[in-house]
Amino acid sequence: QITLKESGPTLVKPTQTLTLTCTLSGLSLSASGVGVGWVRQPPGKALEWLALIYWDADKRYSPSLKSRLTITRDTSKNQVVLRMTNMDPVDTGTYYCTRDILGLGEYFDYWGQGILVTVSS
Amino acid sequence: QSVLTQPPSVSAAPGQKVTVSCSGTSSDIGSNYVSWYQQFPGTAPRLLIYDNNKRPSGIPDRFSGSKSGTSATLGITGLQTGDEADYYCGTRDSSLSAGFVFGTGTKITVL
Repeated sequence: QITLKESGPTLVKPTQTLTLTCTLSGLSLSASGVGVGWVRQPPGKALEWLALIYWDADKRYSPSLKSRLTITRDTSKNQVVLRMTNMDPVDTGTYYCTRDILGLGEYFDYWGQGILVTVSS
Repeated sequence: QSVLTQPPSVSAAPGQKVTVSCSGTSSDIGSNYVSWYQQFPGTAPRLLIYDNNKRPSGIPDRFSGSKSGTSATLGITGLQTGDEADYYCGTRDSSLSAGFVFGTGTKITVL
């Protein structure tokens, strides 16, 4: 059974750095064609893709947030970490960890439950 | 990197067919496969369609997907009250940034 679980702070202050951890179960970070991604969703708004890290350690970032994002992985712990610097109230939302499949197309087939992050002083 | 354009809302009566459009560009939909996601309030999205028209195990064949040029379409036949949710399309972006892009989302209402 494949599961992904997000963990981290639910409240951060403006200008602080957010660090979220995705703990994976039932899947390997090294499996060919597999990646882990982060997607966020402000309250009442659409999904927004943030970052991806692939089985070969290749990384991709949303162009609009690239300067603020860092995605890393720890294969020994089966975890993926997302760091977002200089947090602002507009970054408030639910952050999801997802399994990415890169085959013919690319898609997210497993999602974590999400973690609601509020940015407020 | 732009988002994909979807109608904000569509509605239909139970049992009817509904379609949701997703419009992109030559660097996203035009050169990649499309996926679709269903999201109920307060829950994580669920993969509905991948590789334009394939359904994951457990997704009923009432749900279908298609793609033509720089647009894609999600179809739902035999609409049920349980289908009332938000739907998002998504695809790879083959521009220099080479990431992923989602649609603006469509709320399906069952009348």
